[in-house]
Amino acid sequence: GAGVSQSPSNKVTEKGKDVELRCDPISGHTALYWYRQSLGQGLEFLIYFQGNSAPDKSGLPSDRFSAERTGGSVSTLTIQRTQQEDSAVYLCASSWTGSGNTIYFGEGSWLTVV
Amino acid sequence: GENVEQHPSTLSVQEGDSAVIKCTYSDSASNYFPWYKQELGKGPQLIIDIRSNVGEKKDQRIAVTLNKTAKHFSLHITETQPEDSAVYFCAATLDDKLIFGTGTRLQVFP
Repeated sequence: GAGVSQSPSNKVTEKGKDVELRCDPISGHTALYWYRQSLGQGLEFLIYFQGNSAPDKSGLPSDRFSAERTGGSVSTLTIQRTQQEDSAVYLCASSWTGSGNTIYFGEGSWLTVV
Repeated sequence: GENVEQHPSTLSVQEGDSAVIKCTYSDSASNYFPWYKQELGKGPQLIIDIRSNVGEKKDQRIAVTLNKTAKHFSLHITETQPEDSAVYFCAATLDDKLIFGTGTRLQVFP
């Protein structure tokens, strides 16, 4: 596709359930990022994948959060045992490589935990 | 790690006036400074960026300046229009990660 694609666009889940959020980066982009944006807040870095290197997981807020990137393309962010404070927009982004290249964002997945 | 501060948090201007948003960063190793515009319900979109070997860059009504010594950079929007109303984020790149400022909500009144 022409841009970064995320699904679902909206997700409402019950507290305690697991959720999976999917990201399709721009074709050919080797770098992929996940950010979290709480209502009216800035963007919080979660995790970064670059090619075949080990991901930078330094931003994951707890061990309930994990992410995978299969075949160097599609990525899935998984939140286990969701809590109400996990409610936020989860934004995925990609770029050609890493540093200094334009990073393009998807429209986000809006997660509401009730 | 890198820390980016952004001011002001809100900015209201009259259509046609200029708007300036300022950011500071903490790590002198940061070398890439993009600005993103985010409209309600949308993902952030890049509007302009600057690299550490350049002091100023302009694209039509938008310009960005970088002072490496002082570790601050600014976004300037001239001849503002109502469609410029949005949240603007500055960012700095360190170790391939974008660290964002907290955002500025710009309102342009007709």
